[in-house]
Amino acid sequence: DGGITQSPKYLFRKEGQNVTLSCEQNLNHDAMYWYRQDPGQGLRLIYYSQIVNDFQKGDIAEGYSVSREKKESFPLTVTSAQKNPTAFYLCASRSRGGLTGELFFGEGSRLTVL
Amino acid sequence: QQQVKQSPQSLIVQKGGISIINCAYENTAFDYFPWYQQFPGKGPALLIAIRPDVSEKKEGRFTISFNKSAKQFSLHIMDSQPGDSATYFCAASFPYGTNAGKSTFGDGTTLTVKP
Repeated sequence: DGGITQSPKYLFRKEGQNVTLSCEQNLNHDAMYWYRQDPGQGLRLIYYSQIVNDFQKGDIAEGYSVSREKKESFPLTVTSAQKNPTAFYLCASRSRGGLTGELFFGEGSRLTVL
Repeated sequence: QQQVKQSPQSLIVQKGGISIINCAYENTAFDYFPWYQQFPGKGPALLIAIRPDVSEKKEGRFTISFNKSAKQFSLHIMDSQPGDSATYFCAASFPYGTNAGKSTFGDGTTLTVKP
């Protein structure tokens, strides 16, 4: 089955620690995205990548970093500089050649800072 | 600046009733307007989407109505079922160009359908 796999599903972190969230897709999509979801709020874009070895900041990139060394993978690092990292993180992908803007989402990673 | 405003924040309807969720956008350059459905602990999934060149799109019990001049669009769920209970997000995006795929989301509507 094609899809997006995020891991871990749940993660606990102590303040001052960096953590990396994994996102892997086998949909052969060129574009990948990271969104943050907080209760009662919509999804906010952290980083996105339209192609391998290239990525752009989204609306709330401060305190986060990404890499895109492989088409299938787009890991997100939540650094200690992120002031309020507790949230639900969603990875998504999209076919650049598609005629729609449909995003395909993973099942998310819930990060809790203790 | 919130480019997509969604209402209501929460909605309770009886089984068999009609659920209506509204969204308004600001940027007239948006060219793709999807609705996503999200169940607790899961990622959102595309429910239905529309382009601004049509005023309505229907898929089963789900209908999008689009008013380009008012910059508004809405989701109608006919014959609402308990299984429709979820959070619904409207969004707007640019399918093409340098901003392709960058979707702006509404804040979401939590729908509860009572049996």
